[in-house]
Amino acid sequence: AQSVTQLDSQVPVFEEAPVELRCNYSSSVSVYLFWYVQYPNQGLQLLLKYLSGSTLVKGINGFEAEFNKSQTSFHLRKPSVHISDTAEYFCAVNPRSGGYQKVTFGTGTKLQVIP
Amino acid sequence: DTGVSQNPRHKITKRGQNVTFRCDPISEHNRLYWYRQTLGQGPEFLTYFQNEAQLEKSRLLSDRFSAERPKGSFSTLEIQRTEQGDSAMYLCASSPAEGNNNSPLHFGNGTRLTVT
Repeated sequence: AQSVTQLDSQVPVFEEAPVELRCNYSSSVSVYLFWYVQYPNQGLQLLLKYLSGSTLVKGINGFEAEFNKSQTSFHLRKPSVHISDTAEYFCAVNPRSGGYQKVTFGTGTKLQVIP
Repeated sequence: DTGVSQNPRHKITKRGQNVTFRCDPISEHNRLYWYRQTLGQGPEFLTYFQNEAQLEKSRLLSDRFSAERPKGSFSTLEIQRTEQGDSAMYLCASSPAEGNNNSPLHFGNGTRLTVT
C-alpha cells in the first residue's frame, strides 16, 4: 500500500518569490512519482514525473522537483512564481509493477500567489 | 489528441434520483479510470477498465454505483438512489496500456455532482 502526505494545505507566496511545496510518501514497493496541477473547475494536468536517473527533474512552467530516497520525499520548487501559478498541486505515487497505474494522490496544496 | 471529455460538467439532482455521467477518453488509450474528488481531498480511485473489461473496483464503489465501457471506447458511471454524500467531482482519466506503469494519467475536466 502507498500513502502520500502533503503537510501544507495552503501556501501563500508573493509574486516573483520562490516557493517549495512539500511531499512525503510511504510505500512497501518501488514507485514512480508525479506532481499534478489542478486549476479551478478543471481536471488534473501533469507537471512533472520522476521515473529513474537524475534525482532532479524539470517540468512545465518552470517547476522542478527533487527525489530524495532516504527521506522518501519529492518536494516541488519554483524559483520565481507568477500569478498564473495560483492553483492546487497534487503529489502522487504509482507502483512500478502491477497491471495498471494504481495512483495514490496526496490531499493537495493550494498555492496562492499574491500580487 | 483531443483530450479526455466528460459530460455533463455539472449535475444537480435531488436525493434518491439516478444520475449517469459519460467519459470519452483519448482515442488510442486502452486504460480508463474513474476517480472521485471531494472538497479538500485528492482524487480517490473508484474503478479501472482495460478496454471493455472492468478489472478493479475500489471499496468506495458501493452497490449503488455501476460503471461500464461497452465497446472499449467511452465509459459511463451511474449512481442510483443518490445520497448527499455522493456530492463530489467525478473525474475520468485515461492512459495508454503499452509499456509499464510510468505513463501519466490524462484527466478530463470532471463532472461536478451536487445532491440536494
